[in-house]
Amino acid sequence: EIVMTQSPATLSVSPGERATLSCRASQSVSSNLAWYQQKPGQALRLLIYGASTRATGIPARFSGSGSGTEFTLTISSLQSEDFAVYYCQQYNNWLTFGGGTKVEIK
Amino acid sequence: EVQLLESGGGLVQPGGSLRLSCAASGFTFSNYAMSWVRQAPGKGLEWVSHISGSGGSTYYADSVKGRFTISRDNSKNTLYLQMNSLTAEDTAVYYCAKGAVTTDWRYFDCWGQGTLVTVSS
Repeated sequence: EIVMTQSPATLSVSPGERATLSCRASQSVSSNLAWYQQKPGQALRLLIYGASTRATGIPARFSGSGSGTEFTLTISSLQSEDFAVYYCQQYNNWLTFGGGTKVEIK
Repeated sequence: EVQLLESGGGLVQPGGSLRLSCAASGFTFSNYAMSWVRQAPGKGLEWVSHISGSGGSTYYADSVKGRFTISRDNSKNTLYLQMNSLTAEDTAVYYCAKGAVTTDWRYFDCWGQGTLVTVSS
C-alpha cells in the first residue's frame, strides 16, 4: 500500500497570505494525485487532479505541483472560505489518502 | 446540479449488518463508476469499494473484502453498500463518491454529505 504523508498537520495563516501544503508518497505515484477540500458539514470538494489540473470551477488561487513522490498544493492568497482541511489522494496504485492538513486562521 | 445523498447509517451491534444507500441525481448515473469512502472519527479518509457504471466490475479494500458488498440499481439511480460482520473498526462516516470522468474512476468530483455508522454494544 502506498502511504501518503501530509505536512504540516496544521497550518496557521492570515487571510491574504500564501499557504503551501505538502504531500509525500512512499513510492512514486507519477502524476496520479488529487487534492480535496473538506469543510465541516459540507461535502468534500475536488480541487486538483493529475497533480496540477484544476477541477471545474476551482479558483485560480489554487494550484498544484509535483510528480513522483513530492507534491504541493498552494493557495496564493487565502480567502475566508479557504480555511478547511485539505487531503491529498494518490490513484496510481489503488487509492490512498493522506492524513490531511488543517488550514486555520492565524 | 449533481447531488449524492446517503442514508441508512445508524447504531449496530458488533457482528451485525447494515445496508447503506446513496441516491444520485443531476447526471447520467449509469455512465459513471461510483465508490464508497469512509472516515473514522477524527481520522483521515479510507477508500472502501468501487463499482463500475454497469455494475459488472467491483473492487474492495482488503479491510472489508468478504464482509461488504457494493451494488447499484441504475434504474433507480441508487448505489448500495451491504455491510456484514461489522466490528468497531468499521465505525465511520461513509461517503459515496462519483468518479470524476467516465474513463477514470479513481478520483472523485462529487461527494455526498455522508452517513454515520456506529458499531457498538
